[in-house]
Amino acid sequence: DAKTTQPTSMDCAEGRAANLPCNHSTISGNEYVYWYRQIHSQGPQYIIHGLKNNETNEMASLIITEDRKSSTLILPHATLRDTAVYYCIVRVPVQGAQKLVFGQGTRLTINP
Amino acid sequence: GAGVSQSPSNKVTEKGKDVELRCDPISGHTALYWYRQSLGQGLEFLIYFQGNSAPDKSGLPSDRFSAERTGGSVSTLTIQRTQQEDSAVYLCASSLSGHGNEQFFGPGTRLTVL
Repeated sequence: DAKTTQPTSMDCAEGRAANLPCNHSTISGNEYVYWYRQIHSQGPQYIIHGLKNNETNEMASLIITEDRKSSTLILPHATLRDTAVYYCIVRVPVQGAQKLVFGQGTRLTINP
Repeated sequence: GAGVSQSPSNKVTEKGKDVELRCDPISGHTALYWYRQSLGQGLEFLIYFQGNSAPDKSGLPSDRFSAERTGGSVSTLTIQRTQQEDSAVYLCASSLSGHGNEQFFGPGTRLTVL
């Protein structure tokens, strides 16, 4: 799986958009970008994933650059409950089970 | 429907004792995963099951660790002769078997070895 690089920590004001970057310059053509987050004392939670087109769901938007070497997770209107560690993971999805390889992630703090 | 459940939520044990951690996956999920997270660290993969078989045991840290899954459902992670470095939160996840399916995580079991 391709290696990812994320900032260690970020701050964002409540109500503003939180933009979390992820670099994955060695991504290969068949690898997808996944985002999970882990709120304190809870298990990780899936947020979104994509291959090359921008994706949006009820939680967030995922913007992937045209060369696919980086992406940005956008929380459009951050709330205090969005304070968590956010993990960017790059992998090739396969049929059947597949482990997730977590890096250190970005600790996002939403400030009132 | 119910999510992934794990028991116990907390376990305190003495060094050298054996412990069993249980995971109940989401009904119908064929894939089941075990991870652990030491204090202040990221998540570390341990083992996964596809049905009742475990194709990848590469993450188990030592032969004191074992896991089984029966009936394609409940899984048990057993740690024998526990050591203080085994102290961590042990997380279980399950997923549908298929292309890119997301993993759903349980709340974890916090293990403390004294």
